[in-house]
Amino acid sequence: AQKVTQAQTEISVVEKEDVTLDCVYETRDTTYYLFWYKQPPSGELVFLIRRNSFDEQNEISGRYSWNFQKSTSSFNFTITASQVVDSAVYFCALSEVVGGYQKVTFGTGTKLQVIP
Amino acid sequence: EAQVTQNPRYLITVTGKKLTVTCSQNMNHEYMSWYRQDPGLGLRQIYYSMNVEVTDKGDVPEGYKVSRKEKRNFPLILESPSPNQTSLYFCASSSSGRTHYGYTFGSGTRLTVV
Repeated sequence: AQKVTQAQTEISVVEKEDVTLDCVYETRDTTYYLFWYKQPPSGELVFLIRRNSFDEQNEISGRYSWNFQKSTSSFNFTITASQVVDSAVYFCALSEVVGGYQKVTFGTGTKLQVIP
Repeated sequence: EAQVTQNPRYLITVTGKKLTVTCSQNMNHEYMSWYRQDPGLGLRQIYYSMNVEVTDKGDVPEGYKVSRKEKRNFPLILESPSPNQTSLYFCASSSSGRTHYGYTFGSGTRLTVV
């Protein structure tokens, strides 16, 4: 069975610090997809990134970067020079084929608080 | 604007009174799904639909029903709500159920059952 673990329940950092959110997954498939979503205090869920299992290249988008390591089954998310607007709950998710269709499993989320 | 529209945003109801949460998407997406979000448990899938008239149970389907009569609509029905269904509910859609490109989520429905 697929599983996503976000061991960090809550993290607090001071503005401008770097922070890494951990995500560890379990799957038996060789083909799967990994995602990160952001849920700001307003409550909506926003898609941040999708990564397929065959692409281990790290990705950078502005202050955000993602480190995918199949050897450790991890897909970690780093925010550089954090800002107050980064305060949110962040969810990692795994998608793999079950019965011919994609099944998406979410982690329990990490609440990030950036203190000004 | 491409979006998933959920209604209502907030709902307080009494135990046993049937209710429906509507969900509609305007992106011609094949795949739609309902999730509930509870503190410490993250997002758990209730039901999903791969296309019109094709639905299946997720991880926590007990006490819920869904239907997919039209591609754009995927209502969530609680026939006899109970207090343990108090939660934050999200509808989500994705272009395909066979290759997942990521969800577009609705704004959420906060349901309280007293």
